[in-house]
Amino acid sequence: GENVEQHPSTLSVQEGDSAVIKCTYSDSASNYFPWYKQELGKGPQLIIDIRSNVGEKKDQRIAVTLNKTAKHFSLHITETQPEDSAVYFCAAWAGGFKTIFGAGTRLFVKA
Amino acid sequence: EAGVTQFPSHSVIEKGQTVTLRCDPISGHDNLYWYRRVMGKEIKFLLHFVKESKQDESGMPNNRFLAERTGGTYSTLKVQPAELEDSGVYFCASSLSGTIAYEQYFGPGTRLTVT
Repeated sequence: GENVEQHPSTLSVQEGDSAVIKCTYSDSASNYFPWYKQELGKGPQLIIDIRSNVGEKKDQRIAVTLNKTAKHFSLHITETQPEDSAVYFCAAWAGGFKTIFGAGTRLFVKA
Repeated sequence: EAGVTQFPSHSVIEKGQTVTLRCDPISGHDNLYWYRRVMGKEIKFLLHFVKESKQDESGMPNNRFLAERTGGTYSTLKVQPAELEDSGVYFCASSLSGTIAYEQYFGPGTRLTVT
């Protein structure tokens, strides 16, 4: 069935450094790729998404890239801050009501 | 505006017991989803309601799980009898009708531990 693989499972960076999380999807029909951030004690929250006909999208310190040929997409966080510490989930959506999630990346930003 | 709420936040039960999880979606959200995350793995889709109707329950693990959404407002997810492998975090999410499915609002989850 459809699946999304996410790496790494844990990522630790120094404040101010960049963080990159990578995902691979299997369903060629996927056409939207959302990213969620889950802070402690809260549910996942949508932070950015990218459509399949777009290669890159930026929103302040976060950017997402998509390589549709390779079925890879990535989340880039620049100038990381302690408040960026959270679990990040990538996902793929191919229409309908089912979103396929990755296993999550726990990001630690050390002050 | 209140977000999605879930009750309880934690539940510890013994194998064979019954547990009922509750989700209150954001007011006016017709779409309601249940998900489960087991032991640091992916968030897996369980089922989807539109108002009180189940649209897709293909992710429900087996017939020990029963979800309801009477009246199209809050939803419950009952596990009876619970097994060890049912442990995990159960998330509920909701969204407005007409929005893209992944533009959903998640609750904080219920952490279920079956011992």
